[in-house]
Amino acid sequence: DQQVKQNSPSLSVQEGRISILNCDYTNSMFDYFLWYKKYPAEGPTFLISISSIKDKNEDGRFTVFLNKSAKHLSLHIVPSQPGDSAVYFCAASARAGGTSYGKLTFGQGTILTVHP
Amino acid sequence: GAVVSQHPSWVICKSGTSVKIECRSLDFQATTMFWYRQFPKQSLMLMATSNEGSKATYEQGVEKDKFLINHASLTLSTLTVTSAHPEDSSFYICSARVGPNYGYTFGSGTRLTVV
Repeated sequence: DQQVKQNSPSLSVQEGRISILNCDYTNSMFDYFLWYKKYPAEGPTFLISISSIKDKNEDGRFTVFLNKSAKHLSLHIVPSQPGDSAVYFCAASARAGGTSYGKLTFGQGTILTVHP
Repeated sequence: GAVVSQHPSWVICKSGTSVKIECRSLDFQATTMFWYRQFPKQSLMLMATSNEGSKATYEQGVEKDKFLINHASLTLSTLTVTSAHPEDSSFYICSARVGPNYGYTFGSGTRLTVV
């Protein structure tokens, strides 16, 4: 049961344009969402997160949008740069026990390629 | 920032032998660490959650006797793959919580190849 899905295995974008990576989830208990960037043979690097009380969070070139009713989130990168080329994972978590926080459930990842 | 140091970065071992992977939290105390496994072109799959001083919690389908997790101190968690087989070849990554607000940091991963 894939609770977090990234339906696009890959995305190719021209440098300077916007990259939009999408993620859908099924578990309504998820209340915190994160995006990670990963290079081959390395651990994921945190990019940006959003809690379910918000619908948008922005950090420099990265913006994450959350549509709770659609159980959908997206990561916008603008302008895209060749150095952004990597695998991007979305992840979700549900609070456990009220005050603590739970494990991360990852999507399958989307390979982003930004062409010069 | 908070860093998790993971070693080794890669290891090749013979079938039937055991391999230990270490994750150390630098500059912070990791009461909880997560161990993930990633097959090529697939997602990171959580294997187990380890809490300092207590037994690890394994995800469904993960053999606890095969993947031994020890979290004896606040800065060190280890994963031992016992009696490794070629199908255990994978990329293993640890992660630690770094704060109250869902902060997570990941190790650099270990590429295990069993021949």
